Amino acid sequence: ETGVTQTPRHLVMGMTNKKSLKCEQHLGHNAMYWYKQSAKKPLELMFVYSLEERVENNSVPSRFSPECPNSSHLFLHLHTLQPEDSALYLCASSRRDSTDTQYFGPGTRLTVL
Amino acid sequence: AQKVTQAQTEISVVEKEDVTLDCVYETRDTTYYLFWYKQPPSGELVFLIRRNSFDEQNEISGRYSWNFQKSTSSFNFTITASQVVDSAVYFCALSEVRGGFKTIFGAGTRLFVKA
Repeated sequence: ETGVTQTPRHLVMGMTNKKSLKCEQHLGHNAMYWYKQSAKKPLELMFVYSLEERVENNSVPSRFSPECPNSSHLFLHLHTLQPEDSALYLCASSRRDSTDTQYFGPGTRLTVL
Repeated sequence: AQKVTQAQTEISVVEKEDVTLDCVYETRDTTYYLFWYKQPPSGELVFLIRRNSFDEQNEISGRYSWNFQKSTSSFNFTITASQVVDSAVYFCALSEVRGGFKTIFGAGTRLFVKA
């Protein structure tokens, strides 16, 4: 079974839409992460949850809203996005914190029209 | 401040050549961890290695080897006898023990292996 899954794999949305990205980890980890990967930019950490509590919020615009209902699931709710938000959104999990290995999902390729 | 530099943006080699990907890092912490990840065209980052700052032994895993030099703050990655399937983007990353939940990734090196 794949350790970290993400759905959908591809998403096209208009600027007025509301959508959600889902991440699920089957590794029994306590920390979950959202990263944004834009073309020709390093990976940008967006949010981190540890034991369902948000511990990092890296100056992300409020049009991105994370939710972590339990230690296995992580959501990223999207609303009124901009075309520059088009990117690959990667979810990861680790046992405790970022000094542990992070295991990544396949990502959601988001296009905002 | 934390920083990871991968100066090689793209490297192109012919199959069976050896190739070394460079990684230089900056940190003020004495305890930290270094990572390498591979990102094939499918997009998922695949974990390759994790090394802590107190373990300077070089590591070999099949065709892959890593050279950790604390004196020069480098953690270089060598692929021996490269194969087409090695074509991917490779990321070096740094996490400090006092850094909480932040990992700093380098910009990545895109490796093309031609048949």
